Amino acid sequence: DQQVKQNSPSLSVQEGRISILNCDYTNSMFDYFLWYKKYPAEGPTFLISISSIKDKNEDGRFTVFLNKSAKHLSLHIVPSQPGDSAVYFCAARNGGGADGLTFGKGTHLIIQP
Amino acid sequence: NAGVTQTPKFQVLKTGQSMTLQCAQDMNHEYMSWYRQDPGMGLRLIHYSVGAGITDQGEVPNGYNVSRSTTEDFPLRLLSAAPSQTSVYFCASSYSTGTGKMTEAFFGQGTRLTVV
Repeated sequence: DQQVKQNSPSLSVQEGRISILNCDYTNSMFDYFLWYKKYPAEGPTFLISISSIKDKNEDGRFTVFLNKSAKHLSLHIVPSQPGDSAVYFCAARNGGGADGLTFGKGTHLIIQP
Repeated sequence: NAGVTQTPKFQVLKTGQSMTLQCAQDMNHEYMSWYRQDPGMGLRLIHYSVGAGITDQGEVPNGYNVSRSTTEDFPLRLLSAAPSQTSVYFCASSYSTGTGKMTEAFFGQGTRLTVV
C-alpha cells in the first residue's frame, strides 16, 4: 500500500510560468516532508522540506505548502526555468524520525521553451 | 568535500554470485541507509543504520545484508544475486537534530546493477 503518492507521472510547463507538483500521503505518523530533484544518472538532490507544524516553507523560487487535514503537499516553482526539467520525488519521514524516508514514485517535470 | 561516495558505478553479475556495494561518507553523519530504485517506482528503503554497530531492516530487506563497523562506511552485500535485484542502488547519509530525528538525506551517485 503506497503511503506517499504522486499521481502525475509527468508535467509539462512553459518556461517562466509556475510549476505545481502535488503529493498525497496516508500515514498520519509522518511529521517531516521533503522534495528531491533527480537528473538522469545522478543521485537525488535535496530541494526543500517542511515540518508538519508548518503550512508553508519558501526557499528562493521554491515553495512547499502542506495541508495536514487533507494529507496533501505541493511544490511550487516560480518562475520555471529549463534547468528545472528533472524528476521530482516527494518523501516523508515518520514520527520515529530515524528509520529512513518513504518516497513517492516521482513526477517528471518538463519545462518547454 | 566528497559527500557520499558509492562504488562501483556499474556492475553486471551472474545469478547466484555475491558482491558488496560500497558506500562511504565523510560528513560524520550518524544515519546511513540504502535504497533501490526500479523503473516507474520511487526509492524503496532496504536497510538503514542509526550509528556504528546498529542496523535495521527497511521495506525490502530480503536478499541483502548490511553492517556498520565505522561511522563512515555502510556496505551492502548481495548474498546470492537474482534477476529481481537488477536495479539502481542509492546510499544516503543524514545528520540528526537535537531531538534525535534525522534531517534531509544526502545521496550518492548510485550503482547500476544488472543480474543476468
